[in-house]
Amino acid sequence: KQEVTQIPAALSVPEGENLVLNCSFTDSAIYNLQWFRQDPGKGLTSLLLIQSSQREQTSGRLNASLDKSSGRSTLYIAASQPGDSATYLCAVGIIQGAQKLVFGQGTRLTINP
Amino acid sequence: DAGITQSPRHKVTETGTPVTLRCHQTENHRYMYWYRQDPGHGLRLIHYSYGVKDTDKGEVSDGYSVSRSKTEDFLLTLESATSSQTSVYFCAISESPGQRIDGETQYFGPGTRLLVL
Repeated sequence: KQEVTQIPAALSVPEGENLVLNCSFTDSAIYNLQWFRQDPGKGLTSLLLIQSSQREQTSGRLNASLDKSSGRSTLYIAASQPGDSATYLCAVGIIQGAQKLVFGQGTRLTINP
Repeated sequence: DAGITQSPRHKVTETGTPVTLRCHQTENHRYMYWYRQDPGHGLRLIHYSYGVKDTDKGEVSDGYSVSRSKTEDFLLTLESATSSQTSVYFCAISESPGQRIDGETQYFGPGTRLLVL
């Protein structure tokens, strides 16, 4: 059974710092990996999707990497801003009839002005 | 933002009563999903649909049923609600995996907060 872990559960950094969020998964047979952002009381916003054949994806100040062999993904946020404060969720895509997502429990990120 | 709405957004009900949650999309996406989000468990898949009248179970399907009579609507029913079904329920949609990269992205609705007393 695929299991996804995100460490740390919470992270607090000053504004302007570059930071890395970690995601690990137990089974390397994944279809893709998706990073989401969730603001308190809100739904999930898709940030980046990495195909299993890709090593990284970039969108603005965000860069996600994928190392299937080691079962790891990282989300790099450059020049953090208070508006980046949210919970970040990693989800591994597997194919079982349809594409299903297996989620980690998230990292709650706080950017201090 | 993907055109996904969920109704109701908040609901309080009593144990043993039936509850139906609705997900409506305007994107004409083939796949629709229901998840629940609970502290300590994260998001878990309840049921999903891969077309009209085509549905299948997810990880935590016991106590839930679904129906999809139209492409745009996916209903989640709790036949007899229990306190353990108190949760936040999210609907998600996606196009068909493999057709194009963006088609695999899942887009989520705003969620429904359900409290079962």
